[in-house]
Parts: sequence; structure tokens; C-alpha cells
Amino acid sequence: NAGVTQTPKFQVLKTGQSMTLQCAQDMNHNSMYWYRQDPGMGLRLIYYSASEGTTDKGEVPNGYNVSRLNKREFSLRLESAAPSQTSVYFCASSALTSGYNEQFFGPGTRLTVL
Amino acid sequence: GESVGLHLPTLSVQEGDNSIINCAYSNSASDYFIWYKQESGKGPQFIIDIRSNMDKRQGQRVTVLLNKTVKHLSLQIAATQPGDSAVYFCAENLDTGRRALTFGSGTRLQVQP
Repeated sequence: NAGVTQTPKFQVLKTGQSMTLQCAQDMNHNSMYWYRQDPGMGLRLIYYSASEGTTDKGEVPNGYNVSRLNKREFSLRLESAAPSQTSVYFCASSALTSGYNEQFFGPGTRLTVL
Repeated sequence: GESVGLHLPTLSVQEGDNSIINCAYSNSASDYFIWYKQESGKGPQFIIDIRSNMDKRQGQRVTVLLNKTVKHLSLQIAATQPGDSAVYFCAENLDTGRRALTFGSGTRLQVQP
């Protein structure tokens, strides 16, 4: 049981390049999330998927797109990377049972945009 | 909690002492709160949670206190150990429809041997 896995662990892009961050969970959770964390700050929600087939914007969605490929996988795409998107990206999943929303996090992807 | 940018508040304690980390949350309608621990280079790790219909919950060496009157949350760690050194975040379930958490900016706990 690996929990939440993310690939790649590190990535360097040039301004304007595109890439997709991958996330998968093996806990049979319905809900999945993408956050970004800038130095010395808390996590901010980019997009989330409450269940397979649905996605919704979070606090900072501009410049990103997501795909909930199936129940296990939730990907984040940067179509045209900008230096402001340099950050650490975390994927999380949650079962959302009985009103609790404990989210389990992956190890993160450290992205630098030059 | 509001972001404090690059300079996280830091709490320094001696090994074996008790630690208290505080958090002010933003929305009186939030119904669920979590404390996370984040070690350097890793993702946040769940510590303990509490529903808004409770004012105290205890785990192993940790206690969370909720004061809804002043929108304040605290995490108490008993007999702090070097392995407790990390950044601690509180998070609130601000919008049950959105089903996402809003995170505070964090407090760094440094445990001195």
C-alpha cells in the first residue's frame, strides 16, 4: 500500500514549456486535490476532484488544468510554464467519510521554472 | 491564519518539555480542523483532527484544543522529542461544499537536545 505517489520528484522547465504532473492513490479514495506550497507558506488549493468525473477550481487555478483520469489518478498540467509557478506541488486524497476530511499527501514535486 | 511569507514563527523548546503551537483560523463556520506535521522535503503528515462540536481531543502525546469563541486552535505536544522538529500547520475545512482544506502559514518547532 503505497498511499499517494507523485511523479516526477523534481523538474526544471523553461518559461513557456509545458508539462504534466502525475498523481496516483491506492486507498480507493473518492476525492483528490492539487496544492502548491511556496517557500515559508502554507498550502494553497489549485484544483480538486470530489469524485471521479468531476473537477473544480480551488484558490489559485490560473495557469493550470487537471484531469481525473480514473478513480486512482489525478494529473495537473501546466500548458505554458511561468517563473511564478516555481513551487512545490502536492497531491492529496481523501475518503470524505462521516464529515471528516482527513487528507493524505504525496511526497511532492519540486518544480523550477527558469 | 494569514500568510507570514518567508519568515515562519519559530518555537524552540528543550527535549522533554511540553510544546504548545497556536493557530488562529479564519471562518467561524468551519466545522472541521486538522493539524499536520511537515518535515523538510516531505509532504504534510496527519497528526490529529477535531470536529467543531468538540473542544478537546487527545491522541498519543498530542492534544488539540478548540476555542470557537475566539477562533483559536492549539496543538499540545507532551514530552517533546527531537523527532518532533518540523513545521506544523493547522488546516480548517472552510467550505464543506468544496471539500477542501485551507491551511495556515505554519509554525516551525525546533527541539533542542
